[in-house]
Amino acid sequence: AQSVTQLDSQVPVFEEAPVELRCNYSSSVSVYLFWYVQYPNQGLQLLLKYLSGSTLVKGINGFEAEFNKSQTSFHLRKPSVHISDTAEYFCAVIRSSSMEYGNKLVFGAGTILRVKS
Amino acid sequence: NAGVTQTPKFQVLKTGQSMTLQCAQDMNHEYMSWYRQDPGMGLRLIHYSVGAGITDQGEVPNGYNVSRSTTEDFPLRLLSAAPSQTSVYFCASTESGRVTWANTGELFFGEGSRLTVL
Repeated sequence: AQSVTQLDSQVPVFEEAPVELRCNYSSSVSVYLFWYVQYPNQGLQLLLKYLSGSTLVKGINGFEAEFNKSQTSFHLRKPSVHISDTAEYFCAVIRSSSMEYGNKLVFGAGTILRVKS
Repeated sequence: NAGVTQTPKFQVLKTGQSMTLQCAQDMNHEYMSWYRQDPGMGLRLIHYSVGAGITDQGEVPNGYNVSRSTTEDFPLRLLSAAPSQTSVYFCASTESGRVTWANTGELFFGEGSRLTVL
């Protein structure tokens, strides 16, 4: 079974500083990758996704992620964070050969990004 | 745009009580699912459905029942609540349960139902 590891449970950062949230997955086959964001007391919403093509994917709110097949990573980055980026971020992965979502879509444990002024 | 609507938002139960968490979506999505979110454990799938009349178990199905009689609704039933079921529950849907290139793979989440079992 594949798994997703988010290497940091919490990342504190000052406003306007750059940030990287790390995500590694275990799979030897082709995958689709996602980053979701959860603002306080809300449901998750899609930030960006990688299906194929360019390994650098741009999402909403100035976030981007880079797919690295050799390192099986999909790290999320933002060059300058704002207070409003304070949220929990989840990485998720599914094999592209999967027939349906269900148990095949696996979420990481989440990383809480705390932006300080 | 209602999207995915969950009720209730908050609920306190006593051990042994039963209850139903409601989930409704107005996007004509085939796929619906229930997750629970616990600190440090991310999201764990409880049950899912790829269409009306079709349900299947996820990673943590014990103690929960589901049914899908319509495309719009996917209620989650707790049969006999236990303190271990204290959690935040999310309902999520997407257009199709099948993973294809044309399928964006975006799950649409409700705002969550916070359940405390005493």
